[in-house]
Amino acid sequence: QLQLQESGSGLVKPSQTLSLTCAVSGGSISSGGYSWSWIRQPPGKGLEWIGYIYHSGSTYYNPSLKSRVTISVDRSKNQFSLKLSSVTAADTAVYYCASQQLVGTFDYWGQGTLVTVSS
Amino acid sequence: DIQMTQSPSSLSASVGDRVTITCQASQDISNYLNWYQQKPGKAPKLLIYDASNLETGVPSRFSGSGSGTDFTFTISSLQPEDIATYYCQQYDNLPQYTFGQGTKLEIK
Repeated sequence: QLQLQESGSGLVKPSQTLSLTCAVSGGSISSGGYSWSWIRQPPGKGLEWIGYIYHSGSTYYNPSLKSRVTISVDRSKNQFSLKLSSVTAADTAVYYCASQQLVGTFDYWGQGTLVTVSS
Repeated sequence: DIQMTQSPSSLSASVGDRVTITCQASQDISNYLNWYQQKPGKAPKLLIYDASNLETGVPSRFSGSGSGTDFTFTISSLQPEDIATYYCQQYDNLPQYTFGQGTKLEIK
């Protein structure tokens, strides 16, 4: 069974870049058919898909965030990462990483990490 | 963009009640719809995939139905541990996924 664990800075200043990593255990991040996603949830609000990276390395992003998002994979460390540039207070949220074995379905999730954007 | 509209936004019910939540898509999404449960302070958990398939290990009191634009999520007999917020999510418009706004379920 896959386990995912987010890590990264919990406080980011406005206009700077948010950086998070998701460590995957219980399976290989290079496994065929898997995709790896980032999803966020502002405090007290609903879920927003940010983007995902396919096991081949292809990436797909939410159009509303596309200009600021980069998702990458480090196969040697079995982890994937999120970078979100030019952050504002509106980017304050709990950020989750999740796996997709079934197309379009988030089957395993990390526990989430709160990122606050504040000076 | 495909919009997902859940109703109600909140719901109060008694233990043992049958609970129904609906999700409407702004266009035909076939059966490309999932349901998740999120308990306070926790990550969402997949309950139903492809509109009506129960994820392994999920109690059989949970079920889903529907296709096209109209979907239903049902708890046949509400249990205290079912208190959570429930979200629908479409994946017809790959690779862009969207969630409903959520339904907060409370015990009466």
